[in-house]
Amino acid sequence: GAGVSQTPSNKVTEKGKYVELRCDPISGHTALYWYRQSLGQGPEFLIYFQGTGAADDSGLPNDRFFAVRPEGSVSTLKIQRTERGDSAVYLCASSPGASTGELFFGEGSRLTVL
Amino acid sequence: TQLLEQSPQFLSIQEGENLTVYCNSSSVFSSLQWYRQEPGEGPVLLVTVVTGGEVKKLKRLTFQFGDARKDSSLHITAAQPGDTGLYLCAGRGAGSYQLTFGKGTKLSVIP
Repeated sequence: GAGVSQTPSNKVTEKGKYVELRCDPISGHTALYWYRQSLGQGPEFLIYFQGTGAADDSGLPNDRFFAVRPEGSVSTLKIQRTERGDSAVYLCASSPGASTGELFFGEGSRLTVL
Repeated sequence: TQLLEQSPQFLSIQEGENLTVYCNSSSVFSSLQWYRQEPGEGPVLLVTVVTGGEVKKLKRLTFQFGDARKDSSLHITAAQPGDTGLYLCAGRGAGSYQLTFGKGTKLSVIP
């Protein structure tokens, strides 16, 4: 498809488990963002990639969260030792460049930690 | 950290009414965007404003960026049920790639 694709759309896991969330951006978009959206809140910035490198990871809440984008396209958000407070919708967005343009969002991955 | 405060948090109106939602900050933004989000979907861009005092119109929606580039408003004329959704404002500081979102205004337009 032409849009940002995120998998899985829903993930239910148990406290303490490891999860990976995948984002496939729009082809040719060099900038990729991860956001987290809790119920009733706006999206909260986690990390921004320009190409393969994480240009800004200041939003990652702690060292249990890590993200990679090894070939400058698909990105994976990894969460270790999940906690109930990690339950949220994880949104991925891409844009053609790094500056002031529109972000194109995927539909999100809903993570539930029991 | 740049914070964006949106008001009201919830708004329920009858079809045909007018409404205004607000986005305020103590910080200056180089650009501000408005997105609309429907349940189960990601936010979709409505408009970007970059100049203080700028006004943009998108059909029945009018967006204004404050003169000092710290606040913005979204006015909807003759609201329709299809306008129902979560309206989010988001701003970028000078030289920043990070887009900071407000908590949103959840709008319900009743037929």
